Amino acid sequence: GAGVSQSPSNKVTEKGKDVELRCDPISGHTALYWYRQSLGQGLEFLIYFQGNSAPDKSGLPSDRFSAERTGGSVSTLTIQRTQQEDSAVYLCASSLLAGVQETQYFGPGTRLLVL
Amino acid sequence: GDSVTQMEGPVTLSEEACLTINCTYTATGYPSLFWYVQYPGEGLQLLLKATKADDKGSNKGFEATYRKETTSFHLEKGSVQVSDSAVYFCALSDSGGSNYKLTFGKGTLLTVNP
Repeated sequence: GAGVSQSPSNKVTEKGKDVELRCDPISGHTALYWYRQSLGQGLEFLIYFQGNSAPDKSGLPSDRFSAERTGGSVSTLTIQRTQQEDSAVYLCASSLLAGVQETQYFGPGTRLLVL
Repeated sequence: GDSVTQMEGPVTLSEEACLTINCTYTATGYPSLFWYVQYPGEGLQLLLKATKADDKGSNKGFEATYRKETTSFHLEKGSVQVSDSAVYFCALSDSGGSNYKLTFGKGTLLTVNP
C-alpha cells in the first residue's frame, strides 16, 4: 500500500515569508509525528498528533511554528516569518497506534531552504 | 532525559567486510530500540527493532541484540555490500508519558567500496 507522502519535496523561500508543509499519513494510522533533521541538531521531535489532537507540542522550536491535522488524516506544518535557522529537512511519520512498541513509518521529507 | 549515543562516522569498508556500529542509550523506563536506515536521496526506513531485553532484531542480514545490562543495541552485519551504503540511525522510544516519541542518535554514515 501507499506509504507516507509529503509535499513539496523541496521548498526555497525568502526570510520572513510563511511556508506550509503537507503530510499524508498511511491510511488508518491514528498517530502522526513531525520531526526535523538538521546538520547541527540531528533528528528532533517536533509534535505528535493522536487523531486531530496534538497532546505534545513540546518540540516546536518557537511560536512561529504551528501544525494542524484534519479528518484524522492530512497534517500541515506551518512556519511563519521564516528564518535562516529554519532551514532543514522536515520529516513526517505515522503509526497505527501510539506507544512504545509501535513502528513509525517515515515520509521522504520536505527540504526547506530559507535564503 | 532519554538519549542515544552512536559511534561517529564516517565508516568506510570494503565489500564483504564485517560491520559493527555501536549504540548505547540512556532511558528512564523500559524502552524499545530501533535501527533506521536512510539510503541516499530517500527517507528513513525501519531496519530492525527490539522491544524487550535480550530480544534480537534482524533484517537483510543485519542484527542487533537489546542488552539491558550494558544499555546497548549494536548493529552488526557479517558481510556488507555496496548497496548497504547509507546513514544508520539508532533510536529509542521510552515507556511512560512520552512513549510515542523517538529519540535518535546522530547517525553513522557507512560507505562500502567494491
